[in-house]
Amino acid sequence: KAGVTQTPRYLIKTRGQQVTLSCSPISGHRSVSWYQQTPGQGLQFLFEYFSETQRNKGNFPGRFSGRQFSNSRSEMNVSTLELGDSALYLCASSRTGRSGANVLTFGAGSRLTVL
Amino acid sequence: ELKVEQNPLFLSMQEGKNYTIYCNYSTTSDRLYWYRQDPGKSLESLFVLLSNGAVKQEGRLMASLDTKARLSTLHITAAVHDLSATYFCAPKTGGNKLVFGAGTILRVKS
Repeated sequence: KAGVTQTPRYLIKTRGQQVTLSCSPISGHRSVSWYQQTPGQGLQFLFEYFSETQRNKGNFPGRFSGRQFSNSRSEMNVSTLELGDSALYLCASSRTGRSGANVLTFGAGSRLTVL
Repeated sequence: ELKVEQNPLFLSMQEGKNYTIYCNYSTTSDRLYWYRQDPGKSLESLFVLLSNGAVKQEGRLMASLDTKARLSTLHITAAVHDLSATYFCAPKTGGNKLVFGAGTILRVKS
């Protein structure tokens, strides 16, 4: 069974540029969540999408956005990159999210470096 | 807003010893996760705890949940080097939003 696939795995950008990260969830999973991991702030929730709708949003500026497609694949975009956006961006997928032992499975992450 | 406090943040222990990691959270949550992360790797799911008094065990790790005290514990029995990693607890809020603790870096020395 294929896991959660994130692309690209590594990327380097310069300040002011924008970046798009992609996440393909496990087949049959309809919920996709995004998290940012940095040494200083730890793991922080960015947003969650379910059936193409944003269901939850974390406390990040509007430069961070996302979307989900009809096949449940998700993308997140960061515009006008800042040095502080350098981080590991993790995507997690799950089947639904409302009840039960709903395991969130994480992808390998996309490591973004902003110079 | 849900806050999570994990302690200790760093744990160095000898092989064969037992220890417990504590996870306190500030508001009601109906589900709590424990994850493991190896250096440079992603998060690996260990346990999902759903109800008060829930206890789950896998190998040398055992997790429990006390929803009244808003406390979860991860107990390590007879530690081995392979358990060296960072461990995170994460109670769930709305939808699938998890609030992660700062993580406990575990180093098992032989």
